[in-house]
Amino acid sequence: DTAVSQTPKYLVTQMGNDKSIKCEQNLGHDTMYWYKQDSKKFLKIMFSYNNKELIINETVPNRFSPKSPDKAHLNLHINSLELGDSAVYFCASSLRDRSGEQYFGPGTRLTVT
Amino acid sequence: AQSVTQPDIHITVSEGASLELRCNYSYGATPYLFWYVQSPGQGLQLLLKYFSGDTLVQGIKGFEAEFKRSQSSFNLRKPSVHWSDAAEYFCAVGTSNFGNEKLTFGTGTRLTIIP
Repeated sequence: DTAVSQTPKYLVTQMGNDKSIKCEQNLGHDTMYWYKQDSKKFLKIMFSYNNKELIINETVPNRFSPKSPDKAHLNLHINSLELGDSAVYFCASSLRDRSGEQYFGPGTRLTVT
Repeated sequence: AQSVTQPDIHITVSEGASLELRCNYSYGATPYLFWYVQSPGQGLQLLLKYFSGDTLVQGIKGFEAEFKRSQSSFNLRKPSVHWSDAAEYFCAVGTSNFGNEKLTFGTGTRLTIIP
């Protein structure tokens, strides 16, 4: 009965490769997010989708491309990986209303070598 | 632009002692404020939130926080900590019409509990 799940949990890859991270939520939420947590634990929002529509797109290199096939899924594809992309990526979901909290997934630790 | 400051990077308290974690925010409108906790290797879990109304809010695990508009603060408190409270704590301000669409996080406070 996992609420927000991400795959894979760990991802080790070389510079220049392309990789994807998948996220699924079974909470019936209409909004999903991607966050990046760097080595100093700083969390920053990258993207947000509401009902498959992009509503937040922070200053993120265009090598990062989110895709939301439906309300329950939000994937993150990263092209031409760089060393600086190494981080923990968190997916989250919420209801887009004044009382909705964001529920976070367990994170995907990406290491680029 | 909104911002959140958590002035304490690391706090150590004895088990059973009281705890206060500081959070100051900067935002032009009425803020939506949150405290999240992250245990090692885990995602974030919401402890409590403030949207409006009573400025003292109660959360899970015995935590509470008080919103003080005049000080732009939202400090987290617990009267008696347990060893299981050791974790990273993040304060966040939510912006947008719905209040929760875009969270801006502070840099976190790491809490260590000693026996």
